Amino acid sequence: QVQLQESGPGLVKPSETLSLNCNVSGGPFRNYFWSWIRQPPGKGLEWIGYIYYNGNTKYNPSLKSRVTISVDTSKNHFSLKVNSVTAADTAVYYCARVTCSGGTCSVFDSWGQGTLVAVSS
Amino acid sequence: SSELAQDPAVSVALGQAVGITCQGDSLTSYSASWYQQKPGQAPVLVIYAKDRRPAGIPDRFSGSTSGNTASLTITGAQAEDEADYYCSSRDTSGNLVLFGGGTKLTVL
Repeated sequence: QVQLQESGPGLVKPSETLSLNCNVSGGPFRNYFWSWIRQPPGKGLEWIGYIYYNGNTKYNPSLKSRVTISVDTSKNHFSLKVNSVTAADTAVYYCARVTCSGGTCSVFDSWGQGTLVAVSS
Repeated sequence: SSELAQDPAVSVALGQAVGITCQGDSLTSYSASWYQQKPGQAPVLVIYAKDRRPAGIPDRFSGSTSGNTASLTITGAQAEDEADYYCSSRDTSGNLVLFGGGTKLTVL
């Protein structure tokens, strides 16, 4: 069964860059989309974007100017960078595997446990 | 349209059936998925492609869609079903993945 594990700093200063990694194990990496999703404390889920194993990306337009998702197939992991962070970027960040069904690729069938990133000076 | 609307809270008596709805224009074109999230845990996929259940999800969970409204039904709610439930789909352009605002289910 595929497992995903997020890693990265739990505290980032305002205006700096948030960087997270997601390591994938126990299942195939190629031929899947891989996604980042976040959840501010006490609030709902927000899709950040996803990347195909070949490097093709799609981002949420509301974050697109500040977000980069990259992939390293040799290490079975993908990464997230969010530039110029503010307190509004404080959230639990989840990585997830995306599967395609019914003609669209938007089903998150496996999730990491999530990691809380706080933006504060 | 870029919104999926859910009722903020729903309650159900133990052992009874309950429906959680998700409304959005994009649901006439794209199928809905449903996720269960318990406090302090990651979401878990419970329904995808309108009405399909992943392995390990009890058959008391079912999904359906009519027009622009997707529904998650729990038949015979159990105490362990108390959680937040989120629907998800594409927006009408197909370029954006959307989540509903979530429904907090209380089992009485």
